[in-house]
Amino acid sequence: NAGVTQTPKFQVLKTGQSMTLQCAQDMNHEYMSWYRQDPGMGLRLIHYSVGAGITDQGEVPNGYNVSRSTTEDFPLRLLSAAPSQTSVYFCASSPGEGGQPQHFGDGTRLSIL
Amino acid sequence: AQSVSQHNHHVILSEAASLELGCNYSYGGTVNLFWYVQYPGQHLQLLLKYFSGDPLVKGIKGFEAEFIKSKFSFNLRKPSVQWSDTAEYFCAVNATGANNLFFGTGTRLTVIP
Repeated sequence: NAGVTQTPKFQVLKTGQSMTLQCAQDMNHEYMSWYRQDPGMGLRLIHYSVGAGITDQGEVPNGYNVSRSTTEDFPLRLLSAAPSQTSVYFCASSPGEGGQPQHFGDGTRLSIL
Repeated sequence: AQSVSQHNHHVILSEAASLELGCNYSYGGTVNLFWYVQYPGQHLQLLLKYFSGDPLVKGIKGFEAEFIKSKFSFNLRKPSVQWSDTAEYFCAVNATGANNLFFGTGTRLTVIP
C-alpha cells in the first residue's frame, strides 16, 4: 500500500496564480483532511471531509477550496495564490470511526512569490 | 474548541539524558490524545496514543506518555535519548468520537552525540 500520496512535493507560484495540490489514499479511509504547517504555529486544519461528497471548513479555510468526489482523492485548490499561503501542506486520512490516528502524506512545500 | 500548548519550543539534550516534553490541552469533555514525531524532511508519524484505560501509554522507540486528567496534561517521556531522536514532536488532541485533530506548536528536540 502506498498510504497517503501527495503531489507535487515542491511548487513555486506567482501571486494570483491558481493551482491544485493532489492527495490520494489507498486505505479506503473515510476521513481526509488538509493541514498547513508554519514555523512556530504547528499544524492548522484547513478543510476536512468525512466521506465522498461531504466537506467542511477547518480552522484556516480562507483562500482554499476542496472537493471529495471519490473516497480516494481529496484535492486542495488555491484559487488566487497569496504570499501568506507560503507553507508546507500535509494531507492526512483516517478510518473515520472518530478519534483514530491519522496517516500523513509527505507534504507539499509551496512558495508564493 | 480544543487547544493544545507545548511550552518547550526547543530542547537540547546530550545522548543518554532523560527527556520530558510538556503538553497541556484545554477541553471540557473527554479527549483522545496523541504524540506525533516529524523527523527532518519527513511526514508526521504516530508515536503513541491515548483513548481510555491505563493513563500510562507506551509507544514506539521507547517513548511513553502519561495522561493526568486533573492537570489536563499528556507529557511525553523517554528515559534515555539517542541522536536518532532528533526531530520535532507534536502533541495533538481531539474530542472523543470526533476526527478533527488540534495540534500544539511543536517542540524541536536536538540530541547531541
